[in-house]
Amino acid sequence: EAGVAQSPRYKIIEKRQSVAFWCNPISGHATLYWYQQILGQGPKLLIQFQNNGVVDDSQLPKDRFSAERLKGVDSTLKIQPAKLEDSAVYLCASSLTDGTEKLFFGSGTQLSVL
Amino acid sequence: LAKTTQPISMDSYEGQEVNITCSHNNIATNDYITWYQQFPSQGPRFIIQGYKTKVTNEVASLFIPADRKSSTLSLPRVSLSDTAVYYCLVTNNQGGKLIFGQGTELSVKP
Repeated sequence: EAGVAQSPRYKIIEKRQSVAFWCNPISGHATLYWYQQILGQGPKLLIQFQNNGVVDDSQLPKDRFSAERLKGVDSTLKIQPAKLEDSAVYLCASSLTDGTEKLFFGSGTQLSVL
Repeated sequence: LAKTTQPISMDSYEGQEVNITCSHNNIATNDYITWYQQFPSQGPRFIIQGYKTKVTNEVASLFIPADRKSSTLSLPRVSLSDTAVYYCLVTNNQGGKLIFGQGTELSVKP
């Protein structure tokens, strides 16, 4: 079974530039999550999709971050404009349903904002 | 969802049994306890999940007392490759968001 695919693996940009991350979840997984993990901390949930609808985006900085999941399959997370404090690993995860179902994570995209 | 508390770090030696305890005093009736493992440069990986008493799989055991206010992840005979961060989460089937704490950084020494 193929896992959660994320790209790019690494990205270096300057502050105020824009960047986009892509995620392809495991086939058949209805729920998709984007997490931000700053070095030394646990992952922080940014947004959760159920199919192509947003379930929770309460911690997404909506002035600069946006995410979409067209057709309920793959998803894109965008940052525009980036700030220094956005330097982190961006993890995508998927699950069959939310709640008790286990999450499968991708390897993440490591973003460095200079 | 209930907040979890676990030690920030633990040290062990190869071949020892490691027990990591997680406190979740405000756990609700329909909440489950789930543990994830994270290696450097990788996303977290599901280890084990339980509701009460004891659950065992090929990787670990999870012990949950009757009051369910805490749980213990047990790793038998650890090896160097078990060096990782271990996260305890409380989850339910009502759409609650999955919140990761700081986790426990386990260091296994030869």
